[in-house]
Order: sequence, then structure tokens, then C-alpha cells
Amino acid sequence: GNSVTQMEGPVTLSEEAFLTINCTYTATGYPSLFWYVQYPGEGLQLLLKATKADDKGSNKGFEATYRKETTSFHLEKGSVQVSDSAVYFCALSDSGGGADGLTFGKGTHLIIQP
Amino acid sequence: DTGVSQDPRHKITKRGQNVTFRCDPISEHNRLYWYRQTLGQGPEFLTYFQNEAQLEKSRLLSDRFSAERPKGSFSTLEIQRTEQGDSAMYLCASSLALAGEQFFGPGTRLTVL
Repeated sequence: GNSVTQMEGPVTLSEEAFLTINCTYTATGYPSLFWYVQYPGEGLQLLLKATKADDKGSNKGFEATYRKETTSFHLEKGSVQVSDSAVYFCALSDSGGGADGLTFGKGTHLIIQP
Repeated sequence: DTGVSQDPRHKITKRGQNVTFRCDPISEHNRLYWYRQTLGQGPEFLTYFQNEAQLEKSRLLSDRFSAERPKGSFSTLEIQRTEQGDSAMYLCASSLALAGEQFFGPGTRLTVL
């Protein structure tokens, strides 16, 4: 079956540091990949997505590249801000674009200190 | 507010009671999804609808769980004979079929005493 593994948290960084949150997956076929973010007190929001190998998703300074050879979709940001503090979830969908149910990782809690 | 809404936001019940949660999707969205999230875990997919048709229900956790979307608009998730292990956040999401992006509601937090 499908599964998503992401690095354990919490991850604590200083403002303006470089961020990487690792995500690897197991899936049959060619899944679509997603990063969702949950800010304190808010619901899940789509951060970025990629639907085929070598695609790069980007949004709000965050980037992730769909690497089929390493089955990875690591999230990166060059300079984090306090407002980036949140829980980040990596997810996949078997269907193109994610129209079916998503399989999520456990989430990584990111804490940015001023 | 035109986002996904869920009601109630919090529910406390005693073991053995039945509970029902409601989800109102974004109005033009024809797909509606239910997930469960327990503490420290990511959301776990339960079931989804396209319009009024339930396209996937094999992932419902037991036969105590059922969902409906009778007119293709709002949906309800019912848990019969609740158990303490049912305590979790129940999330609803909606999307346009084939467009992919799922928009999540704020969730209903269930506590079973």
C-alpha cells in the first residue's frame, strides 16, 4: 500500500536559516505529491504540489522537487521567518492531481525562533 | 465565509452513544472527503463522495462508521456505539473532481469518555 515518511519533529531553527524537511514515499504507479501546512489554530492548507517526476512545486518561498529515482519530495526554503512556524504534512495521491483520498505523513512541527 | 464548514467543532460523548457530524463543502465542489486525525499523526482517509455517490468506503474504520451525502451538497458522518478509541479530530475536505486540490474544514474534535 501507499505510505509517506517524513522527518520527526519538532524542528527548531533561527529566523533566516535554511530549511529542509525530508519526505519519502512508497506508492504503486505514479502518484501526485503534496505539501500541506497547518498554522496554529487553523485548518490544513495546500502549500504546493507536483504531479509528475522532475516537477518542482513552489509557493511562498517554499520549493519541493518530485524525485522519482529517490522517491522523495523534500521541502526547502532559503530563509525562514517566525510566521513559518507550523506543522507541515507531506502527502500523496494515486490519482492525477489528488482527486482521490490522500495518504499523509505524520507531520513535522517547525518552530522558528526570532 | 465560503470555505468548508463543519459542525459541531467539539463534541464530548459517553462511550456507547451515537454521534453525527456535519460537513458543508465549498458550494461548487462536487467531491467531498472525510478524514480522521489522531494526536501526533497525519490525517487518515476514510471515504469520499462525488456528488451523492460514495465512491470509496472500504477505508471506513469499522461498520460502526457510516457517511451520507443525500443531495450531493452537505454530508454527515455517523459513528454508532462510540468507543474511547474513536476520540480524534474528524476532518472534511472538498474539491472539484479532477482539479485535485482539496480544501479542508476546521474539523470536529470528538472526545469519548
